[in-house]
Amino acid sequence: DTAVSQTPKYLVTQMGNDKSIKCEQNLGHDTMYWYKQDSKKFLKIMFSYNNKELIINETVPNRFSPKSPDKAHLNLHINSLELGDSAVYFCASSLPAGNSPLHFGNGTRLTVT
Amino acid sequence: DAKTTQPPSMDCAEGRAANLPCNHSTISGNEYVYWYRQIHSQGPQYIIHGLKNNETNEMASLIITEDRKSSTLILPHATLRDTAVYYCIVSAKKSSGDKLTFGTGTRLAVRP
Repeated sequence: DTAVSQTPKYLVTQMGNDKSIKCEQNLGHDTMYWYKQDSKKFLKIMFSYNNKELIINETVPNRFSPKSPDKAHLNLHINSLELGDSAVYFCASSLPAGNSPLHFGNGTRLTVT
Repeated sequence: DAKTTQPPSMDCAEGRAANLPCNHSTISGNEYVYWYRQIHSQGPQYIIHGLKNNETNEMASLIITEDRKSSTLILPHATLRDTAVYYCIVSAKKSSGDKLTFGTGTRLAVRP
């Protein structure tokens, strides 16, 4: 009964490929996020969706396209993968209220070779 | 959002209290103090948050100074499983969702 689940856990692919990471939450939250943690362990927000609507887009390259088919899912599609995209990607969700905590998934480790 | 400053690393003995400090001298009146932790290879885990009053839950206590320029997260009886990176974050209340900016945190090592 995992609250925020991401698949796959590990993803190894070559430069230039297109890949997707899926995220699902069963907490009934309206807001979902994608965060990126690089090799230096900095955790930065990429996107935020509230009820399927894009709220935050932190100047992420156009190669990254989030898709929210419903408020329980927020998938991340990445086109033309580059070496610098290698990182751990975390999905999270929260209630829309301003001071509600985030619940994170356990991450997807993406390695681009 | 206001910036936070935390020591890069700390350690404590198992069973003792772990007190993790955080400075946020530029905090605004509407900004909350959040604490998260990240255990190796896992996603960040919410611990506690507060505005100006001290807070306590089943995981920890949060002590915020009267001027709100600093705070301390207290793990009352640290265990080996509390070894993690602890992030102190300051963020304003937003109308939809939270935009939390994680710093470098404090790496806490709990010694047997």
